Amino acid sequence: AQSVAQPEDQVNVAEGNPLTVKCTYSVSGNPYLFWYVQYPNRGLQFLLKYITGDNLVKGSYGFEAEFNKSQTSFHLKKPSALVSDSALYFCAVRDKKNFNKFYFGSGTKLNVKP
Amino acid sequence: SAVISQKPSRDICQRGTSLTIQCQVDSQVTMMFWYRQQPGQSLTLIATANQGSEATYESGFVIDKFPISRPNLTFSTLTVSNMSPEDSSIYLCSVDLGQIYGYTFGSGTRLTVV
Repeated sequence: AQSVAQPEDQVNVAEGNPLTVKCTYSVSGNPYLFWYVQYPNRGLQFLLKYITGDNLVKGSYGFEAEFNKSQTSFHLKKPSALVSDSALYFCAVRDKKNFNKFYFGSGTKLNVKP
Repeated sequence: SAVISQKPSRDICQRGTSLTIQCQVDSQVTMMFWYRQQPGQSLTLIATANQGSEATYESGFVIDKFPISRPNLTFSTLTVSNMSPEDSSIYLCSVDLGQIYGYTFGSGTRLTVV
């Protein structure tokens, strides 16, 4: 079975500090990994993806994620957090046998304080 | 990338009634997907809707409760039938932009059943 885990329900960080939102995956073979962000009362917005290639993936709004195969992780990072980054973040893996299906993590609420 | 319009954005409904949610995409897509996000939880795939065929439902979801229409390649509806308070959730439609970009989501419909 394929799955992703987000071990932290909530992450608190001060504005200007670096942030990390953790994600680990369980997938047979090479994974297709994604990060989405959900702002209040909004749908999910695509941030970035890892399919193949460089382990460091750069995405929207200054976010990046590092694919680590040995640790089966795909942590989301940003060097300097903004208050406007406060939102709900979801890690997801795409089912390689059924491309129609994504498995989402439970979500991590990011709070960036001024 | 595709733009998805979803209506209504929110509604408060009486138990026992039904609500139909509309999803319009600005380009033709083969498959459309409907997700449910219960309060404080992650996304769960309800069904996959292909144009010209019956929707494919995930385990735990049935057509009688969540009938879906897909009359053309740019439009789909999801009906939540005979609603109960347990149906209070955010319902999101999504389209598949392929292996590289993954899913794009609508802004969601926040349903409250009283």
